[in-house]
Amino acid sequence: QKEVEQNSGPLSVPEGAIASLNCTYSDRVSQSFFWYRQYSGKSPELIMSIYSNGDKEDGRFTAQLNKASQYVSLLIRDSQPSDSATYLCAVKGNYGQNFVFGPGTRLSVLP
Amino acid sequence: EAGVAQSPRYKIIEKRQSVAFWCNPISGHATLYWYQQILGQGPKLLIQFQNNGVVDDSQLPKDRFSAERLKGVDSTLKIQPAKLEDSAMYLCASSPPPRTNRAYGYTFGSGTRLTVV
Repeated sequence: QKEVEQNSGPLSVPEGAIASLNCTYSDRVSQSFFWYRQYSGKSPELIMSIYSNGDKEDGRFTAQLNKASQYVSLLIRDSQPSDSATYLCAVKGNYGQNFVFGPGTRLSVLP
Repeated sequence: EAGVAQSPRYKIIEKRQSVAFWCNPISGHATLYWYQQILGQGPKLLIQFQNNGVVDDSQLPKDRFSAERLKGVDSTLKIQPAKLEDSAMYLCASSPPPRTNRAYGYTFGSGTRLTVV
């Protein structure tokens, strides 16, 4: 059974700080990794994808991937109250396999 | 481009009743997914279609859930009869097929919030 684990939170950070969200996965052959943001009562929206080891930056967001440690993280710089949401990690294995989602981490950015 | 369309947005039914959800994917997206998301949990795949064929329905409770994708475009998910534990958000997503082993991210519709009382 492929598993994706995240701390459920809530993770509370002050406005302007860096929020660090972590995700581990069990399937060593996983190839594609995604972070989704989900506001309360809304559907998930894709914010980052990463496929290779290392860092990938997009605005205030940085995704980090370490396949050897089976670990992927999301850093949010200069956190804003509007970043308060649940962040879902999703992992996909080889061609034809489906995404497996983690349970999500709830982030609260305090003004 | 237009997003993934879903309806209805909300539905309240009594247990043992039936309910149907509709989804229209992004134009040109051959792959369509139905996910169930119980409050506080991550989305769980119910069924995946590639065009109008089923690729994966291993987690679909087939005694009460059914889904179809006629003509390879829009799709309907049905629950009959509903149970209290079916209360959840039902999400439809679509994606183009991957050209390599790297997958595209899903685009989700707005979802249907189902409450079974």
